[in-house]
Amino acid sequence: GQQLNQSPQSMFIQEGEDVSMNCTSSSIFNTWLWYKQDPGEGPVLLIALYKAGELTSNGRLTAQFGITRKDSFLNISASIPSDVGIYFCAGLSSQGNLIFGKGTKLSVKP
Amino acid sequence: ETGVTQSPTHLIKTRGQQVTLRCSSQSGHNTVSWYQQALGQGPQFIFQYYREEENGRGNFPPRFSGLQFPNYSSELNVNALELDDSALYLCASSLFGTYTGELFFGEGSRLTVL
Repeated sequence: GQQLNQSPQSMFIQEGEDVSMNCTSSSIFNTWLWYKQDPGEGPVLLIALYKAGELTSNGRLTAQFGITRKDSFLNISASIPSDVGIYFCAGLSSQGNLIFGKGTKLSVKP
Repeated sequence: ETGVTQSPTHLIKTRGQQVTLRCSSQSGHNTVSWYQQALGQGPQFIFQYYREEENGRGNFPPRFSGLQFPNYSSELNVNALELDDSALYLCASSLFGTYTGELFFGEGSRLTVL
């Protein structure tokens, strides 16, 4: 079946650092989305991408829809403590449901 | 505007029992979908309801069933519980989710099967 591979699995940030994570798929998706999940909460939509090659920003977040439609990346600039959480990429299947990656866990450097 | 609410938030069951989880969709949203999130994993699609009918299903056995009511709220029922059913069950509502992927999730119901 369709699978999304996210990397890195986890990373540590220091306030002010830029963060980059990506997501690849063996299948083509026509819509890519990025969600964030805080502990004890459900995922919250950050950015949705609908066109191959599209670059979209939401505040300090920037995401790109890969030109092959098999990948996407998310950048966070000037990270702040509330950026901590788990970031999931998701592709919209032809059936109309989301297929999620396993997530990238963002933690604060001690 | 009321968000997606789920109940109960936590519950413990034993193997072989049955469980019903409930979800109230966000105001105005006519589509409800359910996802299972095992520890350390991303959410996995169980099924989706639109206008009180199931209109999409993931790779889950028939002992996972659901309902949607005229007010768009929904239930997830799981029969003959197995240990591997222990997970966070997420409900999400949407207006155009099947076209846009934009889902609004509840906080989830955490099920532990002993």
